[in-house]
Amino acid sequence: SQTIHQWPATLVQPVGSPLSLECTVEGTSNPNLYWYRQAAGRGLQLLFYSVGIGQISSEVPQNLSASRPQDRQFILSSKKLLLSDSGFYLCAFSWGYEQFFGPGTRLTVL
Amino acid sequence: DQQVKQNSPSLSVQEGRISILNCDYTNSMFDYFLWYKKYPAEGPTFLISISSIKDKNEDGRFTVFLNKSAKHLSLHIVPSQPGDSAVYFCAASNNNNDMRFGAGTRLTVKP
Repeated sequence: SQTIHQWPATLVQPVGSPLSLECTVEGTSNPNLYWYRQAAGRGLQLLFYSVGIGQISSEVPQNLSASRPQDRQFILSSKKLLLSDSGFYLCAFSWGYEQFFGPGTRLTVL
Repeated sequence: DQQVKQNSPSLSVQEGRISILNCDYTNSMFDYFLWYKKYPAEGPTFLISISSIKDKNEDGRFTVFLNKSAKHLSLHIVPSQPGDSAVYFCAASNNNNDMRFGAGTRLTVKP
């Protein structure tokens, strides 16, 4: 069965510091991978999706970037965090029409 | 642009009664609709789905209704239980890469 891992679970970072969130998937090959952000009262906002190694599509212009160095690894990064980057970040993979989410990372930028 | 809308940010019902969560969409190309349930500090989990070729799908206490002409779907939970208290997200998709979520509705089921 497929599983998805995200870490860290929580992160507190100062403004201007870098960010790296990692997501890995097990039990499936060549999955479509997604990064979402849940901000208060705004639902789930799609940030990036990837259909293969090195293939990244960005939904909205922002202070973040994503990379997929391996088939089942998806990384969300920033060179300099902003206060507005605070939120709950979710990684997901798709299986058919459904998406399955990781446990999420709570990021607080101070 | 918000292609999927959940206009009620919150809903409170009594245990044992019916909970009805509503969702509207604008893109007629969506052909698959899903509901996810989310507890605080956890990722959303899949609850129930419906294809655009159907107008109803039932799974235990959960039923999803789809009205394509109105571009509206709803999730019915009956009877509601305190453990159903969570945020419910409506989602719509037209292929693997394009799934859009609503803003969510926080359901509180009171004992």
